[in-house]
Amino acid sequence: DIQMTQSPSSLSASVGDRVTITCRASQTISNHLNWYQQKPGKAPNLLIYDTSNLHSGVPSRFSGSGSGTAFTLTVSSLQPDDFATYYCQQSYSTPRTFGQGTKVEIK
Amino acid sequence: QVQLQESGPGLVKPSETLSLTCTVSGGSISSYYWSWIRQSPGKGLEWIGYIYNRGSTIYNPSLKSRLTISIDTSKNQFSLKLSSVTAADTAVYYCARQPDDFWSGYYIDWGQGTLVTVSS
Repeated sequence: DIQMTQSPSSLSASVGDRVTITCRASQTISNHLNWYQQKPGKAPNLLIYDTSNLHSGVPSRFSGSGSGTAFTLTVSSLQPDDFATYYCQQSYSTPRTFGQGTKVEIK
Repeated sequence: QVQLQESGPGLVKPSETLSLTCTVSGGSISSYYWSWIRQSPGKGLEWIGYIYNRGSTIYNPSLKSRLTISIDTSKNQFSLKLSSVTAADTAVYYCARQPDDFWSGYYIDWGQGTLVTVSS
């Protein structure tokens, strides 16, 4: 299985901050990396697919980059609605695997 | 817009079989890949498996010996059966949809999730 490791596990930030979350794969996954946002009691929501493609309806302050084994999710200016947990997921091979999550909290 | 809804017992006894159904509305189940994903505090998000092409399946090897995913196109539903459950199978179970392509392995639509507790 491909292991996905996110860092940090949690972070505190203020509204308006630029936030970056890193995801590393245990082997190359080309560009097959996806990002989700999850709020308490809700299902994850797709933000970005295939490293850098913004899913329909997702604000442009979210962006993704990377390739191979290292990827980042960036929120250019954190908004109140962005406080949530973020997960990366590889779709290079089965079984699909997820990172352990990064919780973004209000400072 | 495609909507998914999980249904099934919220409590299952150890060693018994966990059975869940996902009902799809707003689109045909004959296309796309249909997945089951679970989430527990101890293991985070875990991909269980998917069904596609009206019946082909790929399972997580860690669950394969206990797992069956099936589809009923007449009812626009797909189902999960996990046998010989233990407390480690306690989780919120989600059904989800990915585009009709192996490489597009991202989940566009999710059900709301259903908590299944394994306990006597």
